[in-house]
Amino acid sequence: DAKTTQPNSMESNEEEPVHLPCNHSTISGTDYIHWYRQLPSQGPEYVIHGLTSNVNNRMASLAIAEDRKSSTLILHRATLRDAAVYYCILSTGNQFYFGTGTSLTVIP
Amino acid sequence: EPEVTQTPSHQVTQMGQEVILRCVPISNHLYFYWYRQILGQKVEFLVSFYNNEISEKSEIFDDQFSVERPDGSNFTLKIRSTKLEDSAMYFCASSGGFPGEQYFGPGTRLTVT
Repeated sequence: DAKTTQPNSMESNEEEPVHLPCNHSTISGTDYIHWYRQLPSQGPEYVIHGLTSNVNNRMASLAIAEDRKSSTLILHRATLRDAAVYYCILSTGNQFYFGTGTSLTVIP
Repeated sequence: EPEVTQTPSHQVTQMGQEVILRCVPISNHLYFYWYRQILGQKVEFLVSFYNNEISEKSEIFDDQFSVERPDGSNFTLKIRSTKLEDSAMYFCASSGGFPGEQYFGPGTRLTVT
């Protein structure tokens, strides 16, 4: 019973923006939206999180739909080091539900 | 930069044996987590721990699992009687706030034979 759905894979050219979508149509009012990424043979790495408003940090931006049923992670300029699996996650209280992730390939 | 450490990096055990996976979270963090990832699959939440007690647990975290923070620095996951399907990578994570950035350890690969 997936709480988030993501495309299995996406490609981007180096130095171009990337928009990674996530659907979470069953989100409840107090659920947070998180994004983590995972490189091969490593633990997940925090990218960004938000509740209702769009968020920006040094790594990325998070655009949250007005109805909160979807969100988009935006990498402003993809680099080769951004190639990873990106997970969209909902948290209910202190419980975290990972999606199946989007494998991002960055083409030089 | 502070980091979460986990030991051992790889543990091989026989079915039915008890295993303890160890984690040292970042020292001033208050929230602690265990996750598992079966090979080729997504990361699954097991349990969260705050103020010396479990705050949330998933359906996976049944009576075979337990967690402890025995000495104020270590955070352990015990599996009482391992099954073949417990074979997975187990990640520990810690966070300084809620629902803040979680820092993940490098993982312990558990192989049950």
